[in-house]
Amino acid sequence: DGGITQSPKYLFRKEGQNVTLSCEQNLNHDAMYWYRQDPGQGLRLIYYSQIVNDFQKGDIAEGYSVSREKKESFPLTVTSAQKNPTAFYLCASTIGDTEAFFGQGTRLTVV
Amino acid sequence: GESVGLHLPTLSVQEGDNSIINCAYSNSASDYFIWYKQESGKGPQFIIDIRSNMDKRQGQRVTVLLNKTVKHLSLQIAATQPGDSAVYFCAENYDGSSNTGKLIFGQGTTLQVKP
Repeated sequence: DGGITQSPKYLFRKEGQNVTLSCEQNLNHDAMYWYRQDPGQGLRLIYYSQIVNDFQKGDIAEGYSVSREKKESFPLTVTSAQKNPTAFYLCASTIGDTEAFFGQGTRLTVV
Repeated sequence: GESVGLHLPTLSVQEGDNSIINCAYSNSASDYFIWYKQESGKGPQFIIDIRSNMDKRQGQRVTVLLNKTVKHLSLQIAATQPGDSAVYFCAENYDGSSNTGKLIFGQGTTLQVKP
């Protein structure tokens, strides 16, 4: 079955650590996105990528980094520069001008 | 628009009634709009979409209305059921100055269905 997979489902980070969230899709979609969702709030765009080896900052890119070396993969690194990383992170993909398919999310908690 | 620092508004309806969820979008250049449903702890799921050359589109128990003049989108759910309880988001596909499209989500609405 085609879909978009995020891992891990739950992730714990110590202060000052970098962590990487995985997002893989086998839908042959060109564009991929990372959103952050805080409790009781909407989705905010962190980074997005329209094609391999290219990506753009979203509205809240500070403290995050991404790479797009393969069409199928768009990992997000939450760096130590992100001062409030505890949130629910959602990855999505689209092809052309169509709806986005979402993964099931990764819940990141700072301990 | 964004929901930075704002908690989601809540709509409470009686089971069997119709629900109307509203959304104001940001950019008059956006040409494609989507409604999503998000259940607790899960990723958003596609409900229905509409392109800017239409003003109404119907699905199963759902209707989306688009008013480009005032940049307003609404989702109507007929005969609301307990399983409809969730957070609903609208999204617009916007081509910015870089000519690369991106999905922008509006402020969500929590729908609570009372039995």
